[in-house]
Amino acid sequence: NAGVTQTPKFRILKIGQSMTLQCTQDMNHNYMYWYRQDPGMGLKLIYYSVGAGITDKGEVPNGYNVSRSTTEDFPLRLELAAPSQTSVYFCASSGTDPSQPQHFGDGTRLSIL
Amino acid sequence: DAKTTQPNSMESNEEEPVHLPCNHSTISGTDYIHWYRQLPSQGPEYVIHGLTSNVNNRMASLAIAEDRKSSTLILHRATLRDAAVYYCILRDRSGGSNYKLTFGKGTLLTVNP
Repeated sequence: NAGVTQTPKFRILKIGQSMTLQCTQDMNHNYMYWYRQDPGMGLKLIYYSVGAGITDKGEVPNGYNVSRSTTEDFPLRLELAAPSQTSVYFCASSGTDPSQPQHFGDGTRLSIL
Repeated sequence: DAKTTQPNSMESNEEEPVHLPCNHSTISGTDYIHWYRQLPSQGPEYVIHGLTSNVNNRMASLAIAEDRKSSTLILHRATLRDAAVYYCILRDRSGGSNYKLTFGKGTLLTVNP
């Protein structure tokens, strides 16, 4: 079972460059999430989506954009990369019942130099 | 969001039981208690959740205090593969934007051979 798949696994960007982190899930989940995790810290929510065409900001949305054109895909875009965005990014998905767990991808390790 | 308090770190020996505590004194009646763990260089993984009664699954047991202000995750026989950061998270079952997970720093569990 694929579950939640994130690409790329690693990336180094220069300051000011842009890129898109890809996330796809094959569990037909309505809810999808993007988190970032800085060293030694817990995860912080960037954006989330409750279904195709619907997105909303999380705790730390500045510097990021998202879109949700299909149930399966939830890409995260960095427009002008800054050193403060160096982090590990995790995508997750879940069903509509809040008792159901979130399923996480393996993460994208991003360095901005 | 309701807050949880966990010890920063705990240590156990292989094949011994481990009791990971979590305090959540401000829990509301609609909050589920979820536990996730994060192995090194991986995304978080769901462990168990409960509402009022103790719960068991193949990975662990969850003991919930009668007043629900604290809970304990129990690993019955720790293995080296259980070495991870364990997160105790409250999740509002009323849904909406509260479907997100709010991660603290968790408890780093070290398992000694």
